[in-house]
Amino acid sequence: AQSVTQLGSHVSVSEGALVLLRCNYSSSVPPYLFWYVQYPNQGLQLLLKYTSAATLVKGINGFEAEFKKSETSFHLTKPSAHMSDAAEYFCAVSLNRDDKIIFGKGTRLHILP
Amino acid sequence: EAGVTQFPSHSVIEKGQTVTLRCDPISGHDNLYWYRRVMGKEIKFLLHFVKESKQDESGMPNNRFLAERTGGTYSTLKVQPAELEDSGVYFCASSQDWTSGSTYNEQFFGPGTRLTVL
Repeated sequence: AQSVTQLGSHVSVSEGALVLLRCNYSSSVPPYLFWYVQYPNQGLQLLLKYTSAATLVKGINGFEAEFKKSETSFHLTKPSAHMSDAAEYFCAVSLNRDDKIIFGKGTRLHILP
Repeated sequence: EAGVTQFPSHSVIEKGQTVTLRCDPISGHDNLYWYRRVMGKEIKFLLHFVKESKQDESGMPNNRFLAERTGGTYSTLKVQPAELEDSGVYFCASSQDWTSGSTYNEQFFGPGTRLTVL
């Protein structure tokens, strides 16, 4: 069975500092992996996805994530945090192209001035 | 192009009442999904339509929940009778036809309906 574990329900970083949100997954077969973001009072927006191509995936707003099979990880990073990055971030996994998405519990990112 | 829309944005009802949530997918998207996030928990899959057919309803919590997608366009999710534990945010998502040939069909999410059962 697939599962996703996000380390830390709340993460605080200073504006301009590195953002690192951790995600580990469990899957019996090579999965599709995603990071979604939810800004206040908005729906879920896809930040980036891994679909078995390049292991380093670049997304919107300067975010990127690296698929590491040996560590079953898909951590999200951004070199320099901006106040507008404050939101809740969800790591997720899916087995097939049109299959349901399994989400982690989410990490709320706080940006300190 | 309009995104996925959901109605209402908020609903407050009393235990035992009935509520119907509506989702309008992106035009031309054959895949439609319902998800739910209960307070403090992760977002969980409820069911998946391909056109008007239920492809996967393994996430439906019990028979108080009824989803329909007549004509393969918009979908409704009815909760009858509502219980306190049904409170949460209900998300709808849609994606293109599986025959689109793409490696992965991105699911586009609506803003959600926040349901509060008192």
